[in-house]
Amino acid sequence: AQTVTQSQPEMSVQEAETVTLSCTYDTSESDYYLFWYKQPPSRQMILVIRQEAYKQQNATENRFSVNFQKAAKSFSLKISDSQLGDAAMYFCAYQGKTSGSRLTFGEGTQLTVNP
Amino acid sequence: EPEVTQTPSHQVTQMGQEVILRCVPISNHLYFYWYRQILGQKVEFLVSFYNNEISEKSEIFDDQFSVERPDGSNFTLKIRSTKLEDSAMYFCASKRLAKNIQYFGAGTRLSVL
Repeated sequence: AQTVTQSQPEMSVQEAETVTLSCTYDTSESDYYLFWYKQPPSRQMILVIRQEAYKQQNATENRFSVNFQKAAKSFSLKISDSQLGDAAMYFCAYQGKTSGSRLTFGEGTQLTVNP
Repeated sequence: EPEVTQTPSHQVTQMGQEVILRCVPISNHLYFYWYRQILGQKVEFLVSFYNNEISEKSEIFDDQFSVERPDGSNFTLKIRSTKLEDSAMYFCASKRLAKNIQYFGAGTRLSVL
């Protein structure tokens, strides 16, 4: 079974600074998807960024980028120019290649942005 | 932009009662999911649904749970006899056939007293 681990329960960053959230996963599959979801206090789950494992190029989405290290099974999220609105719980998630597969989530990292 | 809609936003029930949580997935999506999140814990998969049948379910999804797509738009999760430990946030998600991204609703907070 796949597992996802986020070893940082809490992180903090100064507004306008850069922060990196860590995620590792375990799988025997060679092709899969990885995601970062954001959960603000409203508890809505919002997709931040997605990475397809067969693509070597790291995904970017405006101020959000990932560092995907397939051999190390590592998938970190970098938030540049942090804004107060980035404060939220961030979940890393894994999905197998099979269409319709479940998402397996990590424990989450609570990010605080200090003004 | 289309979104997944869940009702109610908060449901309070007595232990042993039946509850139905409702979801309206995005209209052209074909895969539907339920997840739950107990307060302070990670999000856990419950069940996925495709082509009018369950395609996968977790060990959490026991005989107390059932899902249904009663018409062309709604997707429901029924808990037959609620327990205190069913108190959680329940999220519905949906996905298109071609694109592998699950879009989540805002969730229903279920409180079992």
